[in-house]
Amino acid sequence: NAGVTQTPKFQVLKTGQSMTLQCAQDMNHNSMYWYRQDPGMGLRLIYYSASEGTTDKGEVPNGYNVSRLNKREFSLRLESAAPSQTSVYFCASSLTWTGNDEQFFGPGTRLTVL
Amino acid sequence: AQTVTQSQPEMSVQEAETVTLSCTYDTSENNYYLFWYKQPPSRQMILVIRQEAYKQQNATENRFSVNFQKAAKSFSLKISDSQLGDTAMYFCAFMKRTNSKLTFGKGITLSVRP
Repeated sequence: NAGVTQTPKFQVLKTGQSMTLQCAQDMNHNSMYWYRQDPGMGLRLIYYSASEGTTDKGEVPNGYNVSRLNKREFSLRLESAAPSQTSVYFCASSLTWTGNDEQFFGPGTRLTVL
Repeated sequence: AQTVTQSQPEMSVQEAETVTLSCTYDTSENNYYLFWYKQPPSRQMILVIRQEAYKQQNATENRFSVNFQKAAKSFSLKISDSQLGDTAMYFCAFMKRTNSKLTFGKGITLSVRP
């Protein structure tokens, strides 16, 4: 089992460019999450998908959109990248949405917006 | 809203000694979960230990144990017999029992000296 995979691992964008971060899990988990990690701060939730077919905003959703493509895949899109979106992005998944299950994290994507 | 505070930005410990990392949190919830995550230089987020608030007994996982003080809203992590591989950032996190949104502290950088 690969667990949670993310592509790409690194990306450099210019201000105004768009891109999609891909995330996939092979653990048959129902819930998936996108976090960002900035220096001196813990991870903050951007968007989540409690189950296939549903998505909802987290703590810092502005400037992002998400798509739960199927049960395995959950993508994060930056429509018009800004320097403030320079960060490390983590995808995670858990079996259920009830708070009783461990979240498993991907290896992260380091994004730089110039 | 919940907040998680880790007031020590950095700590250092000699190999084989014991170190305690502090965490306090604020919530009006009565049922919740608390976590310690480890993030080594590889960037991978790894669950170290988890505590269920309705359990009075402190959680233990091998060399890792917690001191959970519910009334004081304190959740510290004790690492015994520190090893070089324990060098990492450690994040304290909170989760309500009813959903899987994680709220993280800012993290503490732990260095284990040989």
